[in-house]
Order: sequence, then structure tokens, then C-alpha cells
Amino acid sequence: DGGITQSPKYLFRKEGQNVTLSCEQNLNHDAMYWYRQDPGQGLRLIYYSQIVNDFQKGDIAEGYSVSREKKESFPLTVTSAQKNPTAFYLCASSTRGHYSNQPQHFGDGTRLSIL
Amino acid sequence: AQTVTQSQPEMSVQEAETVTLSCTYDTSESDYYLFWYKQPPSRQMILVIRQEAYKQQNATENRFSVNFQKAAKSFSLKISDSQLGDAAMYFCAYRSAGTGNQFYFGTGTSLTVIP
Repeated sequence: DGGITQSPKYLFRKEGQNVTLSCEQNLNHDAMYWYRQDPGQGLRLIYYSQIVNDFQKGDIAEGYSVSREKKESFPLTVTSAQKNPTAFYLCASSTRGHYSNQPQHFGDGTRLSIL
Repeated sequence: AQTVTQSQPEMSVQEAETVTLSCTYDTSESDYYLFWYKQPPSRQMILVIRQEAYKQQNATENRFSVNFQKAAKSFSLKISDSQLGDAAMYFCAYRSAGTGNQFYFGTGTSLTVIP
């Protein structure tokens, strides 16, 4: 079955440490996204990528970095510059192009906490 | 950028009753797509229903239906015969038909179902 796999499910970060969240999809989608969700809040876009080797900053990109070397993979690195990283992170993917009525598909998320 | 507004942070409904969640959006586009997602306590994002703006007929999926008012830029979700499993956060989302890649989410409505 096609879907999006995020790992790990739970992640702990020490002060000054970079951590990387994994996101893999086998839906053959061109576009991939990273969202941050704080308790009781909506989704805020961190980064998105429309094609391999291309990505754009979202609304809250500071302290985060991404890469898109393969169509299937879009890892997110939370750097030490992100001072408040504790949140729930959701990865999503979608088809790309004009007049596509397809929704985003989401992974099950990664919960990141500071030690 | 388009904006999506969910003006009801919290709603409650008695089991077996009907509830309507509101969503409005701001856009200058004529073609676009609208979605409702459900996020239960497991935090998984589940697509509930979708609506194409060019369709006048309101979408229906079992107990879920929408009231799409294009001129008013309104897209409300009606849940009939509410069940305990309907308790969740509900997010309204907008996808442009033109760019095709950016999704815009509302801040969510937390629905409580009272037994």
C-alpha cells in the first residue's frame, strides 16, 4: 500500500544538537511538505519542495533545513538555531501541477522534545 | 496568499445530533479545491471530504456533507448522527488550481461529542 512514512515517532534533542526527521513516500508524488503543529494549534508550513533538488521556505523556516535529493525522500533537520523545537512535525505529499484536485497525504508525525 | 478562517475554536454536539463547522476563505481565484481533514487524538490527518469550486453540487460522504457557498466564500462541514469517534480537530484547507502546489489551512475546530 502506498503511503508516507515518518520516523522516528518520538525524538529527543539535547541542547546544541541538530536532529533529522525522516520522511519517505511511495506515492510517486512530486511535491512534499513539512509542517509544525504546536499543542491545540493549526499547521504551520516550514518548507516545501515541488521537485527534486528544489525547495522553498514556508512561513517558519528559521532554524530548520531540508534537502530533496530523491523524489521519495524529504528529510527535515532541526538545527541548534531553532530555540523552541518542541512540537509535533507532520510531513505531507501531493501531486503537482495545474488543476490537480488531489488532497495532501500525511504521515503519522514525529513528536520532538527537548531533553 | 490565500487565507482560511475557522471562527469556532471549539464546538460540542450530543451523540446522534447534527453539528456544523464553519470555514471561510479569502481568494481572488475562480478555480480552486477545498478539503476538510479530521485529526483525532492519534494526530493522524484524515481526509474527510473534498469539493471542487466549479461544481455547484455540494459534496457528500456518508454522514459528512458540505455547504459550499462560492459567492460568500464559505465552506461549512455538516456532521449528521454524530458518533463518539467523530471527536477530533477538524481543519479546513484550500488548494489553488492555478499554482496547484500550495495548501492553506485554517486554525482548526476542536469537536467534542457528548454521550
